[in-house]
Amino acid sequence: DPKIIQKPKYLVAVTGSEKILICEQYLGHNAMYWYRQSAKKPLEFMFSYSYQKLMDNQTASSRFQPQSSKKNHLDLQITALKPDDSATYFCASSPGINTLYFGAGTRLSVL
Amino acid sequence: GQQVQQSPASLVLQEGENAELQCNFSSTATQLQWFYQSPGGSLVSLLSNPSGTKHTGRLTSTTVTKERRSSLHISSSQTTDSGTYLCAIPRNMGYKLTFGTGTSLLVDP
Repeated sequence: DPKIIQKPKYLVAVTGSEKILICEQYLGHNAMYWYRQSAKKPLEFMFSYSYQKLMDNQTASSRFQPQSSKKNHLDLQITALKPDDSATYFCASSPGINTLYFGAGTRLSVL
Repeated sequence: GQQVQQSPASLVLQEGENAELQCNFSSTATQLQWFYQSPGGSLVSLLSNPSGTKHTGRLTSTTVTKERRSSLHISSSQTTDSGTYLCAIPRNMGYKLTFGTGTSLLVDP
């Protein structure tokens, strides 16, 4: 059974719209993250949360807003979507600094 | 900022052959990690190797920290090893990883 659940698996959106990517982890970790993988680019760190508090934000645009309603949830709201936002968004969690556990990703296509 | 370079970009092997993947990084890495990304996109941590040699199954990683390089050796490759192998190093705090662009491995039967 997957321990980090991301929903939906695939998402198609129109330019200018808003979407929320869901992430729930059942590993008991206090630290959660979002990473993005665009075509032909390395996997890129976006946000980190610890105990539901934002620890680090490497995303320049305020259109990307993480939301943590529960300790094991870290959703990602993206507003005013652009075609350049098309990517696979991975949620991850960790028990410490040595290992990251990734979800299966949400593949977002913005038309 | 930190950079991670991986080589080769792609590699094709016959089943049973060995693979040697390279990772070079621009700053001293305290917890260099190797990940596997399946053709379907899922990501799995393979091992963490800040220095020296580590083994897990058919995988051997050797990291020479002073020379800012690490290698991943896959012995007796299998078709199920096909996928992309990613090297990553932490930036500042350990939770923030900088990834390389990966080595795409295809193992033919």
